[in-house]
Amino acid sequence: AQSVTQPDIHITVSEGASLELRCNYSYGATPYLFWYVQSPGQGLQLLLKYFSGDTLVQGIKGFEAEFKRSQSSFNLRKPSVHWSDAAEYFCAVAPGSGNTPLVFGKGTRLSVIA
Amino acid sequence: GAGVSQSPRYKVAKRGQDVALRCDPISGHVSLFWYQQALGQGPEFLTYFQNEAQLDKSGLPSDRFFAERPEGSVSTLKIQRTQQEDSAVYLCASSPPPRLAVHEQYFGPGTRLTVT
Repeated sequence: AQSVTQPDIHITVSEGASLELRCNYSYGATPYLFWYVQSPGQGLQLLLKYFSGDTLVQGIKGFEAEFKRSQSSFNLRKPSVHWSDAAEYFCAVAPGSGNTPLVFGKGTRLSVIA
Repeated sequence: GAGVSQSPRYKVAKRGQDVALRCDPISGHVSLFWYQQALGQGPEFLTYFQNEAQLDKSGLPSDRFFAERPEGSVSTLKIQRTQQEDSAVYLCASSPPPRLAVHEQYFGPGTRLTVT
């Protein structure tokens, strides 16, 4: 069965500093990979996704993620964090093609300090 | 256009009561998913529909949980005889046909259910 691990429960960064959120997945083939963000009281918003091709994908709000098959990782990065980035971030995996349910990690809560 | 909407946004139920949670997907989206998000956890899959057909209900935690989408649009998740462990945020997501955007799931704001 597919699984997703987000090793960091909570990360605090200073505004303007760079950010990397870790995600490792377990799946036999190359999965479809996603990062979602959830602000308090809001639904999940898709930041970016990886299906195939270039392993560095760009998303919204200045985020990017890199797929590394050898490490089964899909880490999320941002070069300069803004206070409005404080939220919960979820990595997710979907097996195969078509519309199938997502398997989510437990999330990483990002706090941003001045 | 409008996104996925869910109602009510908040629901407090006494243990043993039945509740019904509604999801209005984005118009034209054929797939609809329900997830349960416990406090401090990631969303976990409950069930999903393609049009009116319930293709997978393997994530429903017990037979007290029932979901329907009779006309292939609005969906209702019903929980009978609620228990305290049912307290969670219930998220609904919809997707366009796969030929348009594989795995693009658009989430609603969720319904926060508290069972007292």
